[in-house]
Amino acid sequence: EAGVVQSPRYKIIEKKQPVAFWCNPISGHNTLYWYLQNLGQGPELLIRYENEEAVDDSQLPKDRFSAERLKGVDSTLKIQPAELGDSAVYLCASSLNTGGGADTQYFGPGTRLTVL
Amino acid sequence: GNSVTQMEGPVTLSEEAFLTINCTYTATGYPSLFWYVQYPGEGLQLLLKATKADDKGSNKGFEATYRKETTSFHLEKGSVQVSDSAVYFCALSSTHNQKLVFGQGTRLTINP
Repeated sequence: EAGVVQSPRYKIIEKKQPVAFWCNPISGHNTLYWYLQNLGQGPELLIRYENEEAVDDSQLPKDRFSAERLKGVDSTLKIQPAELGDSAVYLCASSLNTGGGADTQYFGPGTRLTVL
Repeated sequence: GNSVTQMEGPVTLSEEAFLTINCTYTATGYPSLFWYVQYPGEGLQLLLKATKADDKGSNKGFEATYRKETTSFHLEKGSVQVSDSAVYFCALSSTHNQKLVFGQGTRLTINP
């Protein structure tokens, strides 16, 4: 079974430029997450989708970040415009929501963003 | 809000040594607890989990017991190998949402 796929793996851009990350979750997983991982830190949730609905986007900086999950499968996370402080690893994860909070989240390899 | 505090690293041990990585949490209700591992160049992988008090999660020789009285979920392994070198993350999720809250991670290096 294929795991969570993310692309690109690495991205280097100039500040103020836009950037987009793509995620394809494990087949059949209804819940999709985007996390931000700064160097030397644990991941922090940006947004969680149940199917195509964003059910928790409280940590998403909505002035420059946006996300979508059309058709409840693939998802795209966009930053426009990027700032120096956005340099980090962006992780996508998916799970099969059975309720109760113990569902295992499966992570992709991440996209390492460098903003110059 | 919910939070997780991990033993600060880096931790360096010799092969076959005993490992403990401490993890304590603050949460309302009864969270589920997890240990994730990130090997060099790879993504986060679930190592083990426990969903209620006194549960013991185990995998690949690693163990952790959900201790509600001390709000802890310490990771242990009796004899580490060089291949265990990685970054280990303790995390929790609450019963009413699926949000994982992670600790800051502990980098473990095992020398032959």
